[in-house]
Amino acid sequence: SQQGEEDPQALSIQEGENATMNCSYKTSINNLQWYRQNSGRGLVHLILIRSNEREKHSGRLRVTLDTSKKSSSLLITASRAADTASYFCATGVKYIFGTGTRLKVLA
Amino acid sequence: EADIYQTPRYLVIGTGKKITLECSQTMGHDKMYWYQQDPGMELHLIHYSYGVNSTEKGDLSSESTVSRIRTEHFPLTLESARPSHTSQYLCASSPRGATTTNEKLFFGSGTQLSVL
Repeated sequence: SQQGEEDPQALSIQEGENATMNCSYKTSINNLQWYRQNSGRGLVHLILIRSNEREKHSGRLRVTLDTSKKSSSLLITASRAADTASYFCATGVKYIFGTGTRLKVLA
Repeated sequence: EADIYQTPRYLVIGTGKKITLECSQTMGHDKMYWYQQDPGMELHLIHYSYGVNSTEKGDLSSESTVSRIRTEHFPLTLESARPSHTSQYLCASSPRGATTTNEKLFFGSGTQLSVL
């Protein structure tokens, strides 16, 4: 079974709004990574957060990690149409991916 | 940008054909991976390699096979393609890290395979 589960499965927002997506995982981790996938393409690494970190920022991205709840969240602030993509979390040395959140940002 | 390349980008073939999906990276990464992904669905790990002459099966059972004769090359072969093999195949690589941690993955653009 897959390690991660993203929530929600799909999200549609207006440009300029914030988008939040969540990831839950099952076993203990050393780090958790978030990736973006544009339609029909490969994935692109966004950010990595280590198990001893609680929050990390990169540009308009903010990631939190709660190891006690085995969950992470990705916040994209001031969203743009170009942010439209699927977002996945991944954990483990074999990079087990979750089910993904499909984000659509409307102009 | 990542220097990892997959060919072909699209492949449409008939049932029973033997195919090889190519994946090459110029970053000198030791670790390479193959994932299978249906449209709008999660990625499933089907094969991985931690170095030359090292290959392992992933969590999703696959009839495909892989080889790792050179560090930069990790081809995937289907001896006899079937319609059930229709999917997107994504290749990825990462640099060597400690065995209990992982570095970020670099992905190719994928091969969309359609078996008629």
